[in-house]
Amino acid sequence: SQQGEEDPQALSIQEGENATMNCSYKTSINNLQWYRQNSGRGLVHLILIRSNEREKHSGRLRVTLDTSKKSSSLLITASRAADTASYFCATALNTGNQFYFGTGTSLTVIP
Amino acid sequence: DADVTQTPRNRITKTGKRIMLECSQTKGHDRMYWYRQDPGLGLRLIYYSFDVKDINKGEISDGYSVSRQAQAKFSLSLESAIPNQTALYFCATNGGNSGANVLTFGAGSRLTVL
Repeated sequence: SQQGEEDPQALSIQEGENATMNCSYKTSINNLQWYRQNSGRGLVHLILIRSNEREKHSGRLRVTLDTSKKSSSLLITASRAADTASYFCATALNTGNQFYFGTGTSLTVIP
Repeated sequence: DADVTQTPRNRITKTGKRIMLECSQTKGHDRMYWYRQDPGLGLRLIYYSFDVKDINKGEISDGYSVSRQAQAKFSLSLESAIPNQTALYFCATNGGNSGANVLTFGAGSRLTVL
């Protein structure tokens, strides 16, 4: 399977703390993306990092990519209760045609 | 209206029945995908299509078939549903190299096979 893995599977933090989740994948990629899913809903795209980039920021999100280790991390700073959701990484292969998802991290932010 | 619309949103059926899940999009994207989500397994790719004449199998296509009726429509069929096909199914679109190359998802279709 091309599917990546994320850890931790579940994370519970207090509001205001930072949340870090990690993604590992198996093959060479064109880019890596992070998505958010509220319970039982569709996934929403958060941020994309290309294979030649090492770090990217978007608001309270910071993504890093280490292609030598085939891993990425998503940092959410100053978390809010509204950040409670599942977060998935997805890798786009070099062909750019297919997207493979990790197993997800369930984040709970306690008010 | 949503960019990607899936119908039905919820369906309960019996083993052996034929089921069709429909997806339509207003994004004007050429690329469409069907994913299945199971707890602890993330999303797995079932089929994908890059235009009306192009259909490709994903990781877990056995037991499923698809039809790309038009650029905007991509249907997933279970010819003879079985209980382990109980899952949440998502349709997604992508603009390809001409777009942002990210996926836009529908709200999902929850299927229960008894």
